[in-house]
Parts: sequence; structure tokens; C-alpha cells
Amino acid sequence: AQTVTQSQPEMSVQEAETVTLSCTYDTSESDYYLFWYKQPPSRQMILVIRQEAYKQQNATENRFSVNFQKAAKSFSLKISDSQLGDAAMYFCAYRANYGGSQGNLIFGKGTKLSVKP
Amino acid sequence: DTGVSQNPRHKITKRGQNVTFRCDPISEHNRLYWYRQTLGQGPEFLTYFQNEAQLEKSRLLSDRFSAERPKGSFSTLEIQRTEQGDSAMYLCASSRDTSRGKETQYFGPGTRLLVL
Repeated sequence: AQTVTQSQPEMSVQEAETVTLSCTYDTSESDYYLFWYKQPPSRQMILVIRQEAYKQQNATENRFSVNFQKAAKSFSLKISDSQLGDAAMYFCAYRANYGGSQGNLIFGKGTKLSVKP
Repeated sequence: DTGVSQNPRHKITKRGQNVTFRCDPISEHNRLYWYRQTLGQGPEFLTYFQNEAQLEKSRLLSDRFSAERPKGSFSTLEIQRTEQGDSAMYLCASSRDTSRGKETQYFGPGTRLLVL
């Protein structure tokens, strides 16, 4: 069975600084997607960034980038120039790609990020 | 695009009562997912619809849980004979089937259930 592990329950960063959130996963599949979702307090979950396993290039979205190490099954999220609005729970998630058929997300337990002014 | 909506946002019920939640997906999305999130945990998959067909159910979905998606539009999740262990946030997500599974799941705000 696939699993996702986030070993950092809480992280803190100073505003404008850079922080990296860790995620490891376990799977026997070769074709899958990895995601980072952000869940602000009392607000709905939104997608931050997505990585396709067959692409070696790390995904980037503005201040957010990932370090995808397929062999090590590691998928970390780097947030640059942290802003107060980045404070939230961050969830790493995995989804196998069965040729376009269904694929539920498997989530880690989350990392609570605090941003200090 | 009005996003995924869920109703009610909060529900308090007594143990043994039945409850029903509703999810309205983004209009052109043919896939709909239900997840459950307990305190301090990430969301856990419950069930999945492609149009009106329920294609997958998690082992977490006991016999007391039933989900429907009539006409492939909104979906309902019913819990019969609620137990205190059912207290959680119930999340709905929808997506559109795309090539090579490049779907993105968009989440609703959730329904928070408290069973007393």
C-alpha cells in the first residue's frame, strides 16, 4: 500500500525567509503524481504545486518549488520569501496514475507552518 | 466557476441519529470524491464517483455510510446511526477527467460533524 510521511508536525519561519517542508512516500508504482496542498485555518484546501513522477524537472510556482528525488522517494516543498499569508497546514499527497482512470489522493498528516513577522 | 460547495458547514447531532451532507461540485467536473479528516490528520479517502457511478469505496466506509450522486451532479453522503467516532470534517472534492490523468482535485470547505 502507498503511504505518505511528513515528519515535521510544525515548522516556523521568519517573514521573507525561506523554509523547506519535508515529505517522503512509499510506492511500488512508477507512474504517479505528487502534490502539496495548503489548508489555511478554517478555510478550504487549495493546490499549491504538482509534480509528475515521469518528469525529472522540479516543478515551480512563483515562490513555491519542489525538490523531487524519485529514487529516494522524497518530495520536499520550498517556500521562498515567506509571507504572513503562507501560514497554514501543508499536506503532501500522492496519487497513482492508472492510465487516466480514478485515483484518490493519499495524504500525509500535515505540517503546520507558522510565519513570524 | 463558483467552486465546490458543501452544506451544511456544521452539524451537531446526537449519537444514533442519521445525518446527510450535500456536495455541489464545479459544474463541468465529472469526478467527485469524499474524504474524511479527523483532528491532526490528513484527509482519508472514502469514496469516488465518475458521473453517477460509484467506482470505488474505501474500507473506511462502513455499512452505516452511503453515498449517492444522482444524475451525475450533486452528491449526498449519509451516515446512519451516528457514533462519536464519526465526528470529523467531511470534505468533498471534484475534478475533470483529462488526458494522462492530469486531473486536479478542487476541495470544498467541508462539513464539520460533531456527534454528542
